[in-house]
Amino acid sequence: DAGVIQSPRHEVTEMGQEVTLRCKPISGHNSLFWYRQTMMRGLELLIYFNNNVPIDDSGMPEDRFSAKMPNASFSTLKIQPSEPRDSAVYFCASSSGQTQYFGPGTRLTVL
Amino acid sequence: AQSVTQPDIHITVSEGASLELRCNYSYGATPYLFWYVQSPGQGLQLLLKYFSGDTLVQGIKGFEAEFKRSQSSFNLRKPSVHWSDAAEYFCAVGASYSSNTGKLIFGQGTTLQVKP
Repeated sequence: DAGVIQSPRHEVTEMGQEVTLRCKPISGHNSLFWYRQTMMRGLELLIYFNNNVPIDDSGMPEDRFSAKMPNASFSTLKIQPSEPRDSAVYFCASSSGQTQYFGPGTRLTVL
Repeated sequence: AQSVTQPDIHITVSEGASLELRCNYSYGATPYLFWYVQSPGQGLQLLLKYFSGDTLVQGIKGFEAEFKRSQSSFNLRKPSVHWSDAAEYFCAVGASYSSNTGKLIFGQGTTLQVKP
C-alpha cells in the first residue's frame, strides 16, 4: 500500500511568492493533519481535518496560511505571501483511528 | 490538558549498549501512547503503540516500551543499540476529546547519538 504522499519534496521560493503544498492521505483514512517542524519550535500541529472538515486550525500561524481538503484523497496547505520565517519542513499525516502515519515531508526554503 | 514530557533532549550511547528513553505524560484516563522515530531527512515512522492490555509493548527494530500507570510513564527501551538507531525519537499521547480523529500530543523529542 502507498503511504502518505506529499509533493513537492523540496520547494525553494522567494519571499512574497505563493506556495502550495500537497498531500494525498492513505486510502480509507478519515483524518488528515498538517504539521510544521523547525529546529527552534520542534513539531507543531497546524490544522487537522476529520471527514474533510477542518476541526482545529488554532495552530495556523496567521492569515497567510490556509488549508483545504476538497475530498477524502487530497489536501493542500497554502502560504500567501511566503516569508523567510516560513522556511521549515511541512509534514502531512493521516489516520483512521488513533494511529497517525506520516508522509516524507516537504522542505520549504523561502529566500 | 494532556501533555507529554521527554526529559532528555539529547542522549549518547555506545553501539551495543542498552538504551532507555524516558517519556512522561499527563492524562486523566487510560491513554493511547506512541513512540515514533525520525531519521535525518525523513518523516516520522511509528515504532510502537499502546492502547490497552499487556503493559509491555513490542515494536519494530527491536524496540519495546513499558506502560506504567503509577508513574505516568511510557519509556522506550532497546537491549543493544545499533549505529543505525541514531535518530530523533518522539513520544506521543492520544488526545481524549479527539478519540475519533486521532489527534496526538507530541513530546519535544530526544535525539539519540550512537558512538562507535
